[in-house]
Amino acid sequence: GAVVSQHPSRVICKSGTSVKIECRSLDFQATTMFWYRQFPKKSLMLMATSNEGSKATYEQGVEKDKFLINHASLTLSTLTVTSAHPEDSSFYICSAREQGSSWNYGYTFGSGTRLTVV
Amino acid sequence: QKEVEQDPGPLSVPEGAIVSLNCTYSNSAFQYFMWYRQYSRKGPELLMYTYSSGNKEDGRFTAQVDKSSKYISLFIRDSQPSDSATYLCAMSNTGKLIFGQGTTLQVKP
Repeated sequence: GAVVSQHPSRVICKSGTSVKIECRSLDFQATTMFWYRQFPKKSLMLMATSNEGSKATYEQGVEKDKFLINHASLTLSTLTVTSAHPEDSSFYICSAREQGSSWNYGYTFGSGTRLTVV
Repeated sequence: QKEVEQDPGPLSVPEGAIVSLNCTYSNSAFQYFMWYRQYSRKGPELLMYTYSSGNKEDGRFTAQVDKSSKYISLFIRDSQPSDSATYLCAMSNTGKLIFGQGTTLQVKP
């Protein structure tokens, strides 16, 4: 089946620094990838939709300049948390849809990245 | 009011019990209803999906959708310790997934 690899799985960074998270579709091409944020005991909140070769679409309330998304190829999307602060600490998860799969349920999720900002 | 409501639990049951997990929703436009399982520190994996109302069975798992009541359920028969995880419902009609909060389930041996 489709596999999405997310790296790193865990990262600790100092306040004010930037962190890059990678999301790769290993065995399929993904023109669209999605980035979610999940707080403890909370649902996944969609942050942005990443489109290959074009600008990402951000959800209302998500700061574009803080969460930079780049989808440079059909298999790689990156999320950079810039000037991280402790309130950015969270679990970040990406997902990708294989071409031809359902737009409603055909998504494969990465294993997530636990970001801790100290 | 949240679009999707799900009791976060935790829910603790003995091995072999029948588990019932539920979600309610407010948006009548939702047509696709999914259940995801998420183990600790991992991403969600799709368990089942249902289109519109009705039941769907897959092994020990049964998904039910009642659109008239805006209520969906996931039943797990003969629950196993390996079923211990967080179960998230999700809904969609446009390709944008709206997730419930997730219910944490623990199946005790």
